[in-house]
Amino acid sequence: SQQGEEDPQALSIQEGENATMNCSYKTSINNLQWYRQNSGRGLVHLILIRSNEREKHSGRLRVTLDTSKKSSSLLITASRAADTASYFCATDTGTGTASKLTFGTGTRLQVTL
Amino acid sequence: GAGVSQSPSNKVTEKGKDVELRCDPISGHTALYWYRQSLGQGLEFLIYFQGNSAPDKSGLPSDRFSAERTGGSVSTLTIQRTQQEDSAVYLCASARQGLGYEQYFGPGTRLTVT
Repeated sequence: SQQGEEDPQALSIQEGENATMNCSYKTSINNLQWYRQNSGRGLVHLILIRSNEREKHSGRLRVTLDTSKKSSSLLITASRAADTASYFCATDTGTGTASKLTFGTGTRLQVTL
Repeated sequence: GAGVSQSPSNKVTEKGKDVELRCDPISGHTALYWYRQSLGQGLEFLIYFQGNSAPDKSGLPSDRFSAERTGGSVSTLTIQRTQQEDSAVYLCASARQGLGYEQYFGPGTRLTVT
């Protein structure tokens, strides 16, 4: 079953605008990861935030995590046409020696010129 | 270095036939994962390997699905007596051992069962 649920399901913005997508989940996690998927390049890891972190930045990406609300958000600033893709959050509930990721249903982002 | 590779990239098979999907992980990655993605959907976890053992097979949808990994490297996912609902993209990913490492995904195998 899907633990993560992204919101919105689809988002259309103009180049230069910011895009915000949200993820909610149900159980305790070790960390939360965001991935991007486009038709040409497959799934690519964007950023990982650990359960004891509240905010993390990577280039134009900003991720927040609120474990009390079991939610995360991904902000893409100054969007570009190349950011057009589907974005998935993945919650890591692994134990022992390996991660176990459960992916959400994704947000389809369209950035127009 | 080389990324995760999968073969074949596309597979069309008739209902009832068996298929084998192959995954070559990044060298040195001890963890290997199989996922399934149906059209327009998120990823569904199938199974993961730590070395050659599979501690978690909980995502395999039926006993028609099996997977093995040999030499801590290549993995094959086998689907017996394929059904139309098995049609999907099958994705493989590898990662370093331990919690909190990103997974590197292959390009996937698109399986179509006619």
